[in-house]
Amino acid sequence: TQLLEQSPQFLSIQEGENLTVYCNSSSVFSSLQWYRQEPGEGPVLLVTVVTGGEVKKLKRLTFQFGDARKDSSLHITAAQPGDTGLYLCAGAFGNEKLTFGTGTRLTIIP
Amino acid sequence: DTEVTQTPKHLVMGMTNKKSLKCEQHMGHRAMYWYKQKAKKPPELMFVYSYEKLSINESVPSRFSPECPNSSLLNLHLHALQPEDSALYLCASSQQRPDNSPLHFGNGTRLTVT
Repeated sequence: TQLLEQSPQFLSIQEGENLTVYCNSSSVFSSLQWYRQEPGEGPVLLVTVVTGGEVKKLKRLTFQFGDARKDSSLHITAAQPGDTGLYLCAGAFGNEKLTFGTGTRLTIIP
Repeated sequence: DTEVTQTPKHLVMGMTNKKSLKCEQHMGHRAMYWYKQKAKKPPELMFVYSYEKLSINESVPSRFSPECPNSSLLNLHLHALQPEDSALYLCASSQQRPDNSPLHFGNGTRLTVT
């Protein structure tokens, strides 16, 4: 079973601050997805990254895929209360099933 | 609004009851999934259907029985559950397997077993 470790597990910061969440594996991903889950809802896809070194931006969110495709990061600039939620990375290894990371629970304090 | 619809939103059942969870999507997706999510944990895969055939069963106890009547519908039949089965049950769909296309989740059924 492939293991995806996310760090930090919990993060609570003030509105307006910046933060980075990490997703790491000892194996090479064929692709990696990031999801955000808000209370009472299912996870919602934010982005998919496929190429090593790839950087994608979604408004204040910047996603990076490591050169070796074993890790990924999510950087949020000027965090807002609406960013609060559970952030999940999910990695695909070849054509095997998608494996979810351990999750980062983010709280933005107004 | 999510494009994957799950009913009911909440369910309370006793250990001797039989109940069913339902999931529906009309995006033309050919892969459908059941996940179980405990509080503050990531979703855990239970079952995968691909083109209406069961392709993955993650060693789920037989008290959980999935069914895919057609390409738009997915059911999860529950019987003789235990209190530790209380969780959020999420349905998801994707375009097809095996291509690891993104998952579209419903908002889940919050199940409580008493």
